Amino acid sequence: SQTIHQWPATLVQPVGSPLSLECTVEGTSNPNLYWYRQAAGRGLQLLFYSVGIGQISSEVPQNLSASRPQDRQFILSSKKLLLSDSGFYLCAWSGSRQGNTIYFGEGSWLTVV
Amino acid sequence: SQQGEEDPQALSIQEGENATMNCSYKTSINNLQWYRQNSGRGLVHLILIRSNEREKHSGRLRVTLDTSKKSSSLLITASRAADTASYFCATPPWTGANSKLTFGKGITLSVRP
Repeated sequence: SQTIHQWPATLVQPVGSPLSLECTVEGTSNPNLYWYRQAAGRGLQLLFYSVGIGQISSEVPQNLSASRPQDRQFILSSKKLLLSDSGFYLCAWSGSRQGNTIYFGEGSWLTVV
Repeated sequence: SQQGEEDPQALSIQEGENATMNCSYKTSINNLQWYRQNSGRGLVHLILIRSNEREKHSGRLRVTLDTSKKSSSLLITASRAADTASYFCATPPWTGANSKLTFGKGITLSVRP
């Protein structure tokens, strides 16, 4: 069976510090990978998606970047965090066998102070 | 911009009652999906209904789709306190590409024991 792991679960970082959130998927190959952000009381905003190694599409201009160094690894980064980067970040994957269903990780709470 | 819009934004019911949640969308869809999110956790896929289907059941869940009205409803029968969560509808683009699965802002369901 497929699983998705995302870490760290919680993170408190000062403004201007770097960020690295990691996500790995097991039990499948060549998944589509996604990073979403969920602000308090709001819906999900798609930040990045990737259909293959090194292929990253950005949905919104922002202070963040994403990388896919391996087939099942997706990393969300920032060189200098802003207060507005605080939120709940969700990694997710989908595969062609499952149609359009997206499977989410447990999320990472980021608080920028 | 968000494609799916859920209604109501919040719903509070007594355990044992039925909960009905609605979702409207703007453009043609390939399918519509409902997800559930427990507080502080990732989203979990509940059910997918295709554009050529009108109704689908899964346990205590019943989903309907009216493509002429561009709307869907999620019915949870005999609700339980454990059903307390946020519920989201999501729609992929007509082409079926996973990359732009768009989520609504969600409905907060509270089931009182």
